[in-house]
Amino acid sequence: AQSVAQPEDQVNVAEGNPLTVKCTYSVSGNPYLFWYVQYPNRGLQFLLKYITGDNLVKGSYGFEAEFNKSQTSFHLKKPSALVSDSALYFCAVRGGGDYKLSFGAGTTVTVRA
Amino acid sequence: DAGITQSPRHKVTETGTPVTLRCHQTENHRYMYWYRQDPGHGLRLIHYSYGVKDTDKGEVSDGYSVSRSKTEDFLLTLESATSSQTSVYFCAISAGLAGTGNEQFFGPGTRLTVL
Repeated sequence: AQSVAQPEDQVNVAEGNPLTVKCTYSVSGNPYLFWYVQYPNRGLQFLLKYITGDNLVKGSYGFEAEFNKSQTSFHLKKPSALVSDSALYFCAVRGGGDYKLSFGAGTTVTVRA
Repeated sequence: DAGITQSPRHKVTETGTPVTLRCHQTENHRYMYWYRQDPGHGLRLIHYSYGVKDTDKGEVSDGYSVSRSKTEDFLLTLESATSSQTSVYFCAISAGLAGTGNEQFFGPGTRLTVL
C-alpha cells in the first residue's frame, strides 16, 4: 500500500523568508510524486512533479521540490515566500503501475506580511 | 480549472434522498476520478474510470456508485445520502496510460450537505 505523510498541519512564515513544506512517502517501486496547492473555495492546482531524473524539480510560481530517495522525502520549497502563497498544500504519490494517487492530509501555509 | 466543470456547485439535501453529482470535461482525457475532501484526511478516492463504461472502486466507495456513458461525463450517485457523506467532492481527470507520470487536473468542487 502507498501512503504519504505531511508531518506539519500548519507552517507560518514571514514574507520574504524561505518556505518549506515537508512530505514523506511510502510506495512499492519507483515513486511518482506531486505537489498541489488549494486556495480557498477552489479546486486543487498542480504545482510540480517528480518522475525521474534530476532530484531538484522546479514548478509553478517559483516553487521547487527536492526528491530524496534515501529519506523517502519530497519537500516543497520556495526561497522567498509571498503573502499570496498562503494556501493549503497537498503532497501526493503514485507507485509505478498504478494510476491512483494517494494524498497527504495537507499543510496550511500562512505567510504574514 | 482545466476544462472541468462540476454541477451542482452546492447542494443541501436530507438523509435518505438520492443525490447525483456530475463531472463534465472538455479535454477528452481517458481517466476520470471522484474524490471527497474532509479536514484531516486530505483527498480520498471514491471511484475512478479508465474508459467509457469502465469503472472501479477507490478506498471509500461504500454508499457511492458511478457511471460513465460518454468520455466527457462521469456521474457520482449517492443512492441514499447519509450525514457522513457531507463533504466537498472533487472530480479529476488525467491523460495517458496507467502508471505514467501524468498529473491529475481538478474541477472546482461540489459542497454537499446532508441534513
